[in-house]
Amino acid sequence: NAGVMQNPRHLVRRRGQEARLRCSPMKGHSHVYWYRQLPEEGLKFMVYLQKENIIDESGMPKERFSAEFPKEGPSILRIQQVVRGDSAAYFCASSPNGADTQYFGPGTRLTVL
Amino acid sequence: AQSVTQPDIHITVSEGASLELRCNYSYGATPYLFWYVQSPGQGLQLLLKYFSGDTLVQGIKGFEAEFKRSQSSFNLRKPSVHWSDAAEYFCAVGADNNNDMRFGAGTRLTVKP
Repeated sequence: NAGVMQNPRHLVRRRGQEARLRCSPMKGHSHVYWYRQLPEEGLKFMVYLQKENIIDESGMPKERFSAEFPKEGPSILRIQQVVRGDSAAYFCASSPNGADTQYFGPGTRLTVL
Repeated sequence: AQSVTQPDIHITVSEGASLELRCNYSYGATPYLFWYVQSPGQGLQLLLKYFSGDTLVQGIKGFEAEFKRSQSSFNLRKPSVHWSDAAEYFCAVGADNNNDMRFGAGTRLTVKP
């Protein structure tokens, strides 16, 4: 049983470009969470999704950031017009339901030049 | 909303010595509590979790943690540290539905030979 998959593992973008981060949850998991980890800091919750629904996006910046989890395919975290402050590690986690343990992927390290 | 504090940013112990990493949480009801470990450049691996029941929880790699409601703590312990335990350790607290998990800032463990 494969774990949570994230790709790419490393992503480099220039300021103003778009970044797309993908997360495939563990088999049988329909709940996905996105977190951001800034250097020397812990993880900050961004958004919680179930298939085709955003349940909680209280941690998402109001502009430029969006997330989706379509019926088919991976969850996508999209950052438009990236700025240097977006450079961070972005982690995805999945769980079988909203009250169970979250299992984390290896993360995508975004660098904005 | 729940929150978690890890008072120690960095701890250094000698190989073979005992270890205790502190975690204090703030939440009005019974929390879901977790310890995760993160090796450099890697994702988070679950060490152990507390949902209910026995307040002393055994995890992987010889770790254990004790939930003390009176002290709002969930400290992580290991009787004898191995060099491979050097990593960043994160305590996390979830609410009733575990949708909104909050992480501490992490404690970096260095193991001296």
